[in-house]
Amino acid sequence: AQSVTQLDSQVPVFEEAPVELRCNYSSSVSVYLFWYVQYPNQGLQLLLKYLSGSTLVKGINGFEAEFNKSQTSFHLRKPSVHISDTAEYFCAVSDIQGAQKLVFGQGTRLTINP
Amino acid sequence: GAGVSQSPSNKVTEKGKDVELRCDPISGHTALYWYRQSLGQGLEFLIYFQGNSAPDKSGLPSDRFSAERTGGSVSTLTIQRTQQEDSAVYLCASLRTSGGYNEQFFGPGTRLTVL
Repeated sequence: AQSVTQLDSQVPVFEEAPVELRCNYSSSVSVYLFWYVQYPNQGLQLLLKYLSGSTLVKGINGFEAEFNKSQTSFHLRKPSVHISDTAEYFCAVSDIQGAQKLVFGQGTRLTINP
Repeated sequence: GAGVSQSPSNKVTEKGKDVELRCDPISGHTALYWYRQSLGQGLEFLIYFQGNSAPDKSGLPSDRFSAERTGGSVSTLTIQRTQQEDSAVYLCASLRTSGGYNEQFFGPGTRLTVL
């Protein structure tokens, strides 16, 4: 079985400041890793994914994440946030084979203050 | 529109009634998933379809929940004798296989409120 822990339920940040949203996972098999964003009253949108290869992955809207196998982490970062980044962010894992169903963390609500 | 669509967007029902939620996946996507998003449980997997068959139903919370998929396309999630704890946003996703990786595309969800 897999599990995902997002260490912060809420993160308030000032506009143009850097941000890091933390994610740790547990799995006995190799996994794919994802970050999704959910804007208010909208569905889930993929920000970025790690499948294999370079451990630093870049996504949309200036976000990036680094896969650390030894620490089983996949933290999300952005060097300078904007008001429009206010949303809920979900870290997720899936098996590489089989159903590839997503197992999600509990989410981190990112609030950008002017 | 080429995205995943779901209907209705909102559904209010009375406890004990049956409801049907519909998902139209992206054309050509062979895999389809249902998830549920609720305040207490977060985002949780319900069921997975490959074509018309459902090899993984492990997330369905009780036998009041069922789902089917026809023609390898549209899927319907049915909840019988709804309970207040069924109130949640039900999300559908379809899977694209491209360039050796898989990415799930999500619909906007159906918000179900059971009174």
